[in-house]
Amino acid sequence: NAGVTQTPKFQVLKTGQSMTLQCAQDMNHNSMYWYRQDPGMGLRLIYYSASEGTTDKGEVPNGYNVSRLNKREFSLRLESAAPSQTSVYFCASSEMGQGYEQYFGPGTRLTVT
Amino acid sequence: GDSVTQMEGPVTLSEEAFLTINCTYTATGYPSLFWYVQYPGEGLQLLLKATKADDKGSNKGFEATYRKETTSFHLEKGSVQVSDSAVYFCARFGRGNTPLVFGKGTRLSVIA
Repeated sequence: NAGVTQTPKFQVLKTGQSMTLQCAQDMNHNSMYWYRQDPGMGLRLIYYSASEGTTDKGEVPNGYNVSRLNKREFSLRLESAAPSQTSVYFCASSEMGQGYEQYFGPGTRLTVT
Repeated sequence: GDSVTQMEGPVTLSEEAFLTINCTYTATGYPSLFWYVQYPGEGLQLLLKATKADDKGSNKGFEATYRKETTSFHLEKGSVQVSDSAVYFCARFGRGNTPLVFGKGTRLSVIA
């Protein structure tokens, strides 16, 4: 089992460029999540998908879009990157409901210049 | 709203010292509580969890007890090692099935 995989690991973008971060899980989990991690801010939820076919905004959704492509895959798109989106992005997955732990991918380090 | 507050770091300890990292949560319902650990350059991984009041989660020598009366879930370890150097995150579920809410993390450095 690979668990949660993310691509790419590193990316540098210029302001205004677009890109899609890919995430896949092989644990047959219903729920998937995108977080960003910034120094001193902990992890903040961008979007999540409680189950295939649904997506919901988290704490910081502005400037991002998501697609739940199928049960395994959940992508995050930056349409027009801004320096404020420089961060480390983590994807996670879990079963639905209280008590189920979230499994995290290794992260994508994004720099926007 | 739902939130988690944990002690700010960084925390620097000598090897074999006792560790406590404080965590309190907002008292909306009875959420499951978690401690995650992040080693340098890696994603987060679950350290331990507790799903109801008075439960004690434990793993790798770390422990935390779900205290409903003080809305706390403090992380403790009796004797830290250099390999415990990492960032530790306390987290709770939101209401219903909303995702985990994380504290801001506490960086621990253990020196030999």
